[in-house]
Amino acid sequence: SAVISQKPSRDICQRGTSLTIQCQVDSQVTMMFWYRQQPGQSLTLIATANQGSEATYESGFVIDKFPISRPNLTFSTLTVSNMSPEDSSIYLCSVDVGGTEAFFGQGTRLTVV
Amino acid sequence: DQQVKQNSPSLSVQEGRISILNCDYTNSMFDYFLWYKKYPAEGPTFLISISSIKDKNEDGRFTVFLNKSAKHLSLHIVPSQPGDSAVYFCAATKANQAGTALIFGKGTTLSVSS
Repeated sequence: SAVISQKPSRDICQRGTSLTIQCQVDSQVTMMFWYRQQPGQSLTLIATANQGSEATYESGFVIDKFPISRPNLTFSTLTVSNMSPEDSSIYLCSVDVGGTEAFFGQGTRLTVV
Repeated sequence: DQQVKQNSPSLSVQEGRISILNCDYTNSMFDYFLWYKKYPAEGPTFLISISSIKDKNEDGRFTVFLNKSAKHLSLHIVPSQPGDSAVYFCAATKANQAGTALIFGKGTTLSVSS
């Protein structure tokens, strides 16, 4: 298993600003994933972050809007840039252990006003 | 187009009765399915999974059934308890491909009343 610490747990931000979300894992993992859950929607994959290489983004998500860092095997950050109210969501980081079961952080509830 | 669908946004059940949560998928490449439970202000936690080589997996009060021909799976909770009240997400993936992300349904909110 893996224990994932994600912070901040919640934030209220002004439109046009940026927020960086941090994700710390208690063990070394190859892949980390960032998801978004908009109100009433499923968890949607934003990007996959592999240590030492650029993140791979899903359709509809771009690096300029959601830059990701992965400096080592236990840590990653997701930045939500130039925020608008449409970015109000829960953002979750996740790690893949063994290719099947995934573990999640507690999420960051972002409200953009 | 949603590849994993949970068509019931909510379900209400009395304590002690059975809860049945349903999930349909469209991608025949999926061969591993998971259920996650999510409480407010917490991340999803893994509940139970099933490989496509099986049609049933049981863990205590939780049983997952898979009907591959119908591309349908269901989660049965027996007996239901008030602490089971949460949002339940169905997810699918291709097994043993490290780095393959999960595809989630929209979730079903289960309310168990005492």
